[in-house]
Amino acid sequence: SYELTQPPSVSVSPGQTASITCFGDALPDQYAYWYQQRPGQAPVLVIYKDSERPSGIPDRFSGSGSGTTATLTISGVQAADEADYYCQSVDSSGAVEVFGGGTKLTVL
Amino acid sequence: EVQLVESGGGLVQPGESLKLSCATSGFNFSGSAIHWARQASGKGLEWVGRTRSIANNYATSYAESVTGRFTISRDESTRTAYLLMTSLKSEDTAVYYCTLGLVYWGQGNLVTVSS
Repeated sequence: SYELTQPPSVSVSPGQTASITCFGDALPDQYAYWYQQRPGQAPVLVIYKDSERPSGIPDRFSGSGSGTTATLTISGVQAADEADYYCQSVDSSGAVEVFGGGTKLTVL
Repeated sequence: EVQLVESGGGLVQPGESLKLSCATSGFNFSGSAIHWARQASGKGLEWVGRTRSIANNYATSYAESVTGRFTISRDESTRTAYLLMTSLKSEDTAVYYCTLGLVYWGQGNLVTVSS
């Protein structure tokens, strides 16, 4: 079955830039989506179609894709950004959605 | 305002069945894909399955882990989506989310499978 691979954790100091990667064989042909999830809350979409930002999401959040890797970048990280981040995409058939294992972002 | 409200969760024994409901409002229900996802305590998100829009004949697809045991359906007249779970296993214990196209999410509903 198709898998998306993320690092388990990323740590960054306030004001610095955090980058979270997501690897998947089908990413050259399928969009990546990114979700933020704080403890006890439902996920929130922060990036869609690789690099588009939903309304209400700060422009500190950006996304990019290159080949089999999608990247979520958070610039000027704030304490409030501390959360779990998940990438999501679809397999090569387009029928099965998949989430990455999640990355815990720690703001030092 | 888009709203999705799950209900029907609870404690069931292994091998039993349970049906979750997702009541919706604030969007074009028949024109939208409805997904179900789940999250075991302390674990990551797992996509469960989806029903597509009327334009796609409400086609369904499922994760490998639930194929043959779970069925997603929808009632256009009441704007409600359903997740029927059969032959439940302990590893199905999780908070189950109903989502509009994986963009808007409900608050989640806990399902516990235990004897």
